[in-house]
Amino acid sequence: QQQVKQSPQSLIVQKGGISIINCAYENTAFDYFPWYQQFPGKGPALLIAIRPDVSEKKEGRFTISFNKSAKQFSLHIMDSQPGDSATYFCAAVSSGNQFYFGTGTSLTVIP
Amino acid sequence: DSGVTQTPKHLITATGQRVTLRCSPRSGDLSVYWYQQSLDQGLQFLIQYYNGEERAKGNILERFSAQQFPDLHSELNLSSLELGDSALYFCASSPRGRAAPYEQYFGPGTRLTVT
Repeated sequence: QQQVKQSPQSLIVQKGGISIINCAYENTAFDYFPWYQQFPGKGPALLIAIRPDVSEKKEGRFTISFNKSAKQFSLHIMDSQPGDSATYFCAAVSSGNQFYFGTGTSLTVIP
Repeated sequence: DSGVTQTPKHLITATGQRVTLRCSPRSGDLSVYWYQQSLDQGLQFLIQYYNGEERAKGNILERFSAQQFPDLHSELNLSSLELGDSALYFCASSPRGRAAPYEQYFGPGTRLTVT
């Protein structure tokens, strides 16, 4: 059973545009919702994370929006740059430190 | 460079064999996590150790086992290998334990190919 569903699978955005990636989760007992960025040939790297008692968190050009009632959260990348081209994974972390990842979104930012 | 090292970088072995993957966490990090990344299964959490003790268990097969040693390095042992075990195996270390378990620094991974 997939705990976290992520969409879209791939995304192409023009430089300067907004990239939006969505995730939905099924279990209510999660403590954290992080996003990771992965470049080809590298391990994932933490981008930003949010707790379920917060509706929005912003760090630079990256914003997480969290909708607890809908069990959905999304990553917004403002002013997208070619250097943002990577695969993005959302995740949900339980109180028991169980990690559930989305299937990933391949983002391409066109110059 | 995350500061997490993994060896070997690549490993090619045959079905039925056993391999050991090694991970050295960042200096001072007590938590080590293991993940498997494959095209069909995506990124899957396997297991977590904290200061030598198993802390959380994910989708780890019974054929797989791990341990964390007193010097905090960790090893993931994969036995009776099957073709489907071919994947990238990542190790990550975390400095903050329960306070922010998602704050992890991933190693470069070990690519395992089972033939």
